Amino acid sequence: EPEVTQTPSHQVTQMGQEVILRCVPISNHLYFYWYRQILGQKVEFLVSFYNNEISEKSEIFDDQFSVERPDGSNFTLKIRSTKLEDSAMYFCASSGSRGYTEKLFFGSGTQLSVL
Amino acid sequence: AQRVTQPEKLLSVFKGAPVELKCNYSYSGSPELFWYVQYSRQRLQLLLRHISRESIKGFTADLNKGETSFHLKKPFAQEEDSAMYYCALREGAQKLVFGQGTRLTINP
Repeated sequence: EPEVTQTPSHQVTQMGQEVILRCVPISNHLYFYWYRQILGQKVEFLVSFYNNEISEKSEIFDDQFSVERPDGSNFTLKIRSTKLEDSAMYFCASSGSRGYTEKLFFGSGTQLSVL
Repeated sequence: AQRVTQPEKLLSVFKGAPVELKCNYSYSGSPELFWYVQYSRQRLQLLLRHISRESIKGFTADLNKGETSFHLKKPFAQEEDSAMYYCALREGAQKLVFGQGTRLTINP
């Protein structure tokens, strides 16, 4: 079965630094998502992306966050100036359509640690 | 706000015993509910969705609108069922709202 690939698996950064988390969605998928999970908490929706623009974002996804699909295969999440509370597991996901029953395929996640 | 509640963080049962993982939701419209599973060292993956009325790996889940529940059940647990289970509600077309998750351990 095709997989969503995320790199790196672990990222350590200093507070205030910029980080870019990378994802390669499944090749024929059209909808892309970022979720995150702070240790011990729920998996939370951050943003969805379709047709080269954000289609929905949560309150967490403030001006410090941005997403991009720079080359037709990668899907990136950038945090401009990381804060301690950004430490979390970040999951990328993709789906083939926007249907209500559509299955999301998740990547294995990037563990971000902000020191 | 829409909410998904999984009251049990941890659940431990013996192999061969029945399993029920609880999920309750609050949603103003017609809910679309899912169970996702994460086995050790693996990615989060869809287990089943209510609209399909399917049984996957022996698991079933029935949507009970009166009780606003979507409990996951399996009559005879197997050791390979040990995993983290997440109930999720689709909000709008784009967003999944997840519960806290239940860590299921099947004892031999």
